[in-house]
Amino acid sequence: GNSVTQMQGQVTLSEEEFLFINCTYSTTGYPTLFWYVQYPGEGPQLLLKVTTANNKGSSRGFEATYDKGTTSFHLQKASVQESDSAVYYCVLGEGTGGYKVVFGSGTRLLVSP
Amino acid sequence: EAAVTQSPRNKVAVTGGKVTLSCNQTNNHNNMYWYRQDTGHGLRLIHYSYGAGSTEKGDIPDGYKASRPSQENFSLILELATPSQTSVYFCASGDLGANSDYTFGSGTRLLVI
Repeated sequence: GNSVTQMQGQVTLSEEEFLFINCTYSTTGYPTLFWYVQYPGEGPQLLLKVTTANNKGSSRGFEATYDKGTTSFHLQKASVQESDSAVYYCVLGEGTGGYKVVFGSGTRLLVSP
Repeated sequence: EAAVTQSPRNKVAVTGGKVTLSCNQTNNHNNMYWYRQDTGHGLRLIHYSYGAGSTEKGDIPDGYKASRPSQENFSLILELATPSQTSVYFCASGDLGANSDYTFGSGTRLLVI
């Protein structure tokens, strides 16, 4: 079945440092890939999505490239801010009906001033 | 502004009691979902719906029922609440197709004592 792997449970950075969150996926189909962000006390919200392989998505300074060759969708940001502290979920959507969405386990980002 | 609204925001229930969590969406989305979120387990799908009158079992449906009386409303029902159902519950809505992104509510924090 489909799966998403986020190996980093937590990432700790200082402001203005470079962010890299690892995400790999497994599927036999042609997925859409998403990154969701969840701030404390809120539900997850869409950060960015990419529907086509080898394309890049970007939003609010975050970028992720859908790499079909390495089955990866890593999240990057050149310079983090304290306000970026949140949990980041890599998500795979595949098939019809909208149900076949798989969430990764999430990566908590802590940014200190 | 389109939104997903959950009520109540917080709930304390007694073991063996009946609990109903409510969700309303103004996105005119066909699909709605109920997830629970626990430390160490991420987001897990309980029930989902493709439209009014439809409910489907997700990955962890045991102990839960769902009801979708209209396009806008989707309820999660715990007929006999147990302490193991203490969790944060999120409702989401989404359009047809797995490349549709989800809109989440702010969550309901349920404590079963």
